[in-house]
Amino acid sequence: DAGVIQSPRHEVTEMGQEVTLRCKPISGHDYLFWYRQTMMRGLELLIYFNNNVPIDDSGMPEDRFSAKMPNASFSTLKIQPSEPRDSAVYFCASSHRGGGLDIQYFGAGTRLSVL
Amino acid sequence: LAKTTQPISMDSYEGQEVNITCSHNNIATNDYITWYQQFPSQGPRFIIQGYKTKVTNEVASLFIPADRKSSTLSLPRVSLSDTAVYYCLVGRFNDYKLSFGAGTTVTVRA
Repeated sequence: DAGVIQSPRHEVTEMGQEVTLRCKPISGHDYLFWYRQTMMRGLELLIYFNNNVPIDDSGMPEDRFSAKMPNASFSTLKIQPSEPRDSAVYFCASSHRGGGLDIQYFGAGTRLSVL
Repeated sequence: LAKTTQPISMDSYEGQEVNITCSHNNIATNDYITWYQQFPSQGPRFIIQGYKTKVTNEVASLFIPADRKSSTLSLPRVSLSDTAVYYCLVGRFNDYKLSFGAGTTVTVRA
């Protein structure tokens, strides 16, 4: 398996624009996680899905952020409208069973810069 | 979730052994200890996981004393490519919201 695939690797946009980040989890994994990493706040969990259903989105910073998982092999994280403070590296991860005992496999991340 | 405390940074030289200790005084009976490694411009990667005593794999060893209030990740004979951030996590089966904390930045010098 190629691992968790994220696209794009880098995104530069202007404030107010819509941004869509994409993730393809490892085949057969039932859990998908979206994280955001910044110098100030470290690695934060935004939302996670189980079998394509959002389970906990309490980490989503505000209504400008939304995430979907239309099928087992694809998920998106959308920011609309984007703001400079959204600049960060966004990671997608997947795991087989979820939970604190299961290994999470991370993608290479999308570095987002909002100007 | 049990809170973890680990050093912010550590410096080492090639060929040396690096030991990173993580404190988790409030660890619960069902909690396991997991370590991840993150290289610059990459996502975190699982290194090792354990419950008690000692666990060893091809990358590292994990030492957990009987009281389980701390754990030590041991990296044998590090190389420059081991320069990374190392995260200690404590969680149990139904903990889906893992806290990565600030991690320990390990810098290996020639």
